[in-house]
Amino acid sequence: SQQGEEDPQALSIQEGENATMNCSYKTSINNLQWYRQNSGRGLVHLILIRSNEREKHSGRLRVTLDTSKKSSSLLITASRAADTASYFCATDYSRARLTFGEGTQLTVNP
Amino acid sequence: DADVTQTPRNRITKTGKRIMLECSQTKGHDRMYWYRQDPGLGLRLIYYSFDVKDINKGEISDGYSVSRQAQAKFSLSLESAIPNQTALYFCATSDYRGGSSDTQYFGPGTRLTVL
Repeated sequence: SQQGEEDPQALSIQEGENATMNCSYKTSINNLQWYRQNSGRGLVHLILIRSNEREKHSGRLRVTLDTSKKSSSLLITASRAADTASYFCATDYSRARLTFGEGTQLTVNP
Repeated sequence: DADVTQTPRNRITKTGKRIMLECSQTKGHDRMYWYRQDPGLGLRLIYYSFDVKDINKGEISDGYSVSRQAQAKFSLSLESAIPNQTALYFCATSDYRGGSSDTQYFGPGTRLTVL
């Protein structure tokens, strides 16, 4: 399987803390994307990082990509209760198809 | 109005019935996708279409078929539903540019239960 794998599967933190989620994948990729899913709803794109990029920021989000280790991390700073959701990494490795990991369930406690 | 819509939003059916899930988009994207999500799991690709005449199987196409009626419409059919097709189904679109994927935009999902 080319599927990315997120770590941890579940993460529970307090509001104001930072949340870090990791994603590992198996083959060379064109880009890696992170998506968010609120319970039972459609996924929403958060950020895309291309294979020639090492770090990218968007608001409170910071994504890193290490192609030598085939891994990526998503950092959410100063988390809020509204950040509670599942977060998925998705890799683009073949003909513009995305392969999704199983997700990290983030719970931010007020 | 939502850019990617799915109908129905919820459906309960019986084993052996034929079911069609519909997806419409107003984003003007050429690429459309159907995924299924099982509890606690990520999304798995069922079928994808790069334009009206280009339809491809994904990783779990057995038991499913699709129809791309127009650029804006992509339907998923279960010819004879079985209980293990109970899942959350998502349609997505993308505006592919250049040598790598761009963002995918998801519909709200259809929750399908097969009894």
